[in-house]
Amino acid sequence: KQEVTQIPAALSVPEGENLVLNCSFTDSAIYNLQWFRQDPGKGLTSLLLIQSSQREQTSGRLNASLDKSSGRSTLYIAASQPGDSATYLCAVRSLLSYNTDKLIFGTGTRLQVFP
Amino acid sequence: NAGVTQTPKFQVLKTGQSMTLQCAQDMNHEYMSWYRQDPGMGLRLIHYSVGAGITDQGEVPNGYNVSRSTTEDFPLRLLSAAPSQTSVYFCASSYSGAGELFFGEGSRLTVL
Repeated sequence: KQEVTQIPAALSVPEGENLVLNCSFTDSAIYNLQWFRQDPGKGLTSLLLIQSSQREQTSGRLNASLDKSSGRSTLYIAASQPGDSATYLCAVRSLLSYNTDKLIFGTGTRLQVFP
Repeated sequence: NAGVTQTPKFQVLKTGQSMTLQCAQDMNHEYMSWYRQDPGMGLRLIHYSVGAGITDQGEVPNGYNVSRSTTEDFPLRLLSAAPSQTSVYFCASSYSGAGELFFGEGSRLTVL
């Protein structure tokens, strides 16, 4: 059974720092992996989708990498800002779940960026 | 562009009551799904649909019912609410079932 883990559960950093959020999964037979952002009391906003054949995806100050063989993905945030404060979730779509919206989610990393 | 719209945003029920959470999307997505989010457990899939008239169970389907009569709408019905169904419910949709998932703002349900 696929399990997704995100460590640390919470992170507090000063503004301007570059930081890395980690996501690990137990079954490497994945179709793709998606990173989301969730603000308190709000829905999930998609940040990056990385296919199993890709090593990384970039959007602005965000860069997601994927190492399928080791079961790990990282989300790199450059020059963090207070507006980046949110919970970051990763979710895996397994190969067997291709053509469905059956994603397995981690429990998230709660990020606080202070001025 | 409204995206995925959920109603109501907040609801309080008594044990045994029934209700329907509404979800509508205007992106012409074939794939829609319902997740629940509980503290410390992440999001878990309740039911999903790969097109009008086609639904299937997810990880935690007990106590919930769905139907998909149109591409745009995917309501979630609680047949007889229980305190264990206190949660935040999210509706999501995607174009292909293999791509990016888009979420609504959530419906916070409390069952007393």
